[in-house]
Amino acid sequence: AQSVSQHNHHVILSEAASLELGCNYSYGGTVNLFWYVQYPGQHLQLLLKYFSGDPLVKGIKGFEAEFIKSKFSFNLRKPSVQWSDTAEYFCAVSPHQAGTALIFGKGTTLSVSS
Amino acid sequence: DTAVSQTPKYLVTQMGNDKSIKCEQNLGHDTMYWYKQDSKKFLKIMFSYNNKELIINETVPNRFSPKSPDKAHLNLHINSLELGDSAVYFCASSQETGSGNTIYFGEGSWLTVV
Repeated sequence: AQSVSQHNHHVILSEAASLELGCNYSYGGTVNLFWYVQYPGQHLQLLLKYFSGDPLVKGIKGFEAEFIKSKFSFNLRKPSVQWSDTAEYFCAVSPHQAGTALIFGKGTTLSVSS
Repeated sequence: DTAVSQTPKYLVTQMGNDKSIKCEQNLGHDTMYWYKQDSKKFLKIMFSYNNKELIINETVPNRFSPKSPDKAHLNLHINSLELGDSAVYFCASSQETGSGNTIYFGEGSWLTVV
């Protein structure tokens, strides 16, 4: 079965620190990859996505992610976090397979102190 | 205009009651979903409909019954509510499943069973 692993359950950083959140997936076929963010008490918002082409994708709010196919990874990065980045981050995979939906990792809670 | 809208946003109800959550999308998408986010923030697919036809039905109690009167609407009815049903329920839509399309989420319905 397809699955998504997010290695960091809770990350605590100070403002201006750099961020990298790990994400690995298990599926041998073609996939599209996503990072969603959920601010406290709010709904899911799309941060960025990878469909094809340049494996380094840039999203909103200064986030970027790199798809490394050989490692089945799609790590999220931001050079300098802000207090307003405090949120829950979800990696998700959409396999190119009929009858499948978006599969989420368990999420990483990011806490940024000012 | 909200692309995926769901009502109610908050719902507090007693055990044993029957309740419904409604969802509508104005994106012209063919596929709609219900996801459940539990107290640990884990997001899991419950159902998916494509053009009013059920295509994904994960292991969900029979007390949960989705209904899609047309492709723009997917409602979720829950019978005999239990404490464990307390969660956030997200409606979502995409162009179709199995092709990796971006999924757009509604703002969530916070269900509390007391």
